[in-house]
Amino acid sequence: GAVVSQHPSRVICKSGTSVKIECRSLDFQATTMFWYRQFPKQSLMLMATSNEGSKATYEQGVEKDKFLINHASLTLSTLTVTSAHPEDSSFYICSASRGAVAGYTFGSGTRLTVV
Amino acid sequence: AQSVSQHNHHVILSEAASLELGCNYSYGGTVNLFWYVQYPGQHLQLLLKYFSGDPLVKGIKGFEAEFIKSKFSFNLRKPSVQWSDTAEYFCAVTPMDTGRRALTFGSGTRLQVQP
Repeated sequence: GAVVSQHPSRVICKSGTSVKIECRSLDFQATTMFWYRQFPKQSLMLMATSNEGSKATYEQGVEKDKFLINHASLTLSTLTVTSAHPEDSSFYICSASRGAVAGYTFGSGTRLTVV
Repeated sequence: AQSVSQHNHHVILSEAASLELGCNYSYGGTVNLFWYVQYPGQHLQLLLKYFSGDPLVKGIKGFEAEFIKSKFSFNLRKPSVQWSDTAEYFCAVTPMDTGRRALTFGSGTRLQVQP
């Protein structure tokens, strides 16, 4: 079945530094990838949609300069949290689409803690 | 924009009890509907999905859901739960008649099954 690998699973960084999270589709080509953020005991909130070879589309209220998304190939999308602050601490989840009918596959998530 | 409501935030059941989790969405057009499960420490997994056709959808692990268009509902059911069903359950929707492909999630329902 379709597998999405997300790394790292857990990262602790100092305030002011940047963190890169990778999302790879291992056995299929993902034309579209999605990045979500999940707060404790809350739902997944869409941050942005990225299409291979084009700029990401960010949801309202998401700072594009803070959350840099790159989708350079059909199997890899990256989310870079720049100049991280404690309020950026959260659980970040990527999802890859194999097309409208095939559905969506989710990565295992990255727990980011900014200290 | 579409939204999803899950009214049960935390459900506690005994093994063999029947389960019904509510999901209502708000969107005037045609939608695709999904139920995902997130076991502790794991990624989101698809339980079932509705695109068209028979409004009663059967998924994995004995789960089913019924799409009632007039009520904008897509409730999840299982006749007899097991301890292993303890998890977080998310209802999600995506519109079919726009270019938006990202999922919109409900707030989730935490199911706790007691042995």
